[in-house]
Amino acid sequence: AQSVTQLGSHVSVSEGALVLLRCNYSSSVPPYLFWYVQYPNQGLQLLLKYTSAATLVKGINGFEAEFKKSETSFHLTKPSAHMRDAAEYFCAVSGHSGNTPLVFGKGTRLSVIA
Amino acid sequence: GAVVSQHPSRVICKSGTSVKIECRSLDFQATTMFWYRQFPKQSLMLMATSNEGSKATYEQGVEKDKFLINHASLTLSTLTVTSAHPEDSSFYICSAHGGRKGGNTIYFGEGSWLTVV
Repeated sequence: AQSVTQLGSHVSVSEGALVLLRCNYSSSVPPYLFWYVQYPNQGLQLLLKYTSAATLVKGINGFEAEFKKSETSFHLTKPSAHMRDAAEYFCAVSGHSGNTPLVFGKGTRLSVIA
Repeated sequence: GAVVSQHPSRVICKSGTSVKIECRSLDFQATTMFWYRQFPKQSLMLMATSNEGSKATYEQGVEKDKFLINHASLTLSTLTVTSAHPEDSSFYICSAHGGRKGGNTIYFGEGSWLTVV
């Protein structure tokens, strides 16, 4: 079984400040891990994914995440927040098979304060 | 461009009627597609796994007779919400794995907003 826990349903940062969104996973098999962003009334956009290659994964819009097996974590970071980063962020886990669905965390709403 | 397309993107229907949502893989064949549901301000929950040429596998608590899934071809899965009620109003989104030819990654459709009045 797989699961994801996102710590903090709402994170608020000032514009230009560091963004840190936390994600811990549980998986009985080596996981694939994903971060998605969802803007209001829109679908999902993939930010980045970990598929057992490099543990530090760089994504779009300046985001990156580091896979830490010892901590079972895959936290999302961005050095400097922009107003346009305000959105809902979902961490997700899956197995390696293409027939495995994603299991999503509850999401973290990021607010950016001017 | 989108490699998984959903239609319609938004639909309003009357209570008691049925609504069909299509999910198409545009550049690859998908033997397996997944259907998720997202209620307002909540996360995405897997509803069912759609298998080409066979019956869908439903998650616990999802009524298979209410949410009919048909995966008649390698590029099309449909979700039909039968006898829709206002509580079925939600965001429905599908995904498919691209396999080796599809970049070996998971693609999501744009999603479909269903409002039942």
